[in-house]
Amino acid sequence: AQKITQTQPGMFVQEKEAVTLDCTYDTSDPSYGLFWYKQPSSGEMIFLIYQGSYDQQNATEGRYSLNFQKARKSANLVISASQLGDSAMYFCAMGSVNNFNKFYFGSGTKLNVKP
Amino acid sequence: DTGVSQDPRHKITKRGQNVTFRCDPISEHNRLYWYRQTLGQGPEFLTYFQNEAQLEKSRLLSDRFSAERPKGSFSTLEIQRTEQGDSAMYLCASSLVRGFGAGVRNEQFFGPGTRLTVL
Repeated sequence: AQKITQTQPGMFVQEKEAVTLDCTYDTSDPSYGLFWYKQPSSGEMIFLIYQGSYDQQNATEGRYSLNFQKARKSANLVISASQLGDSAMYFCAMGSVNNFNKFYFGSGTKLNVKP
Repeated sequence: DTGVSQDPRHKITKRGQNVTFRCDPISEHNRLYWYRQTLGQGPEFLTYFQNEAQLEKSRLLSDRFSAERPKGSFSTLEIQRTEQGDSAMYLCASSLVRGFGAGVRNEQFFGPGTRLTVL
């Protein structure tokens, strides 16, 4: 069975500083994809970044990067130069890349960026 | 706006009533997913369609729930005889699945959700 664990219910970061949001996962599937989504208070889930299980390099998308440690089964999201607009819920998700039938989501981390 | 849309955005109903939600995916997307999100939790998978075929249903989807995607375009999610435990945000997502394997991203694009409150 697949499972995503996010152990930080809430995080604070000072504007312009970097922050790391933790995500660990468990799966017996050898091929999988890891996704991070942002959910502002408006409710819509916004895709941020993707890491495939066989990718040799960590994914980067603008200010977002993914610290992927396959042996530890962790896929932490790093946000550099935090902005006030980054305040939101952040969800880590995993899907099987053999069929992409569903995503498994963690319980999320609420990020608050302080001015 | 060519994103995923959902209607209504909010629904308040009394216990025992039936409700129906609609989702319009991104037009060229072949897959459509329904998730349920309760307060303080991440979304939980309910069901998904490949074009018009419903390929998988979660055991969360009791007999009171039914989903359709006629003609492979928009989808509806109906809940019959609503219960207070059905109160949640119902999220719809779509994706264009071009292939499989870890090198293919296939991210899901989400709509704004329908918030259901059962009194």
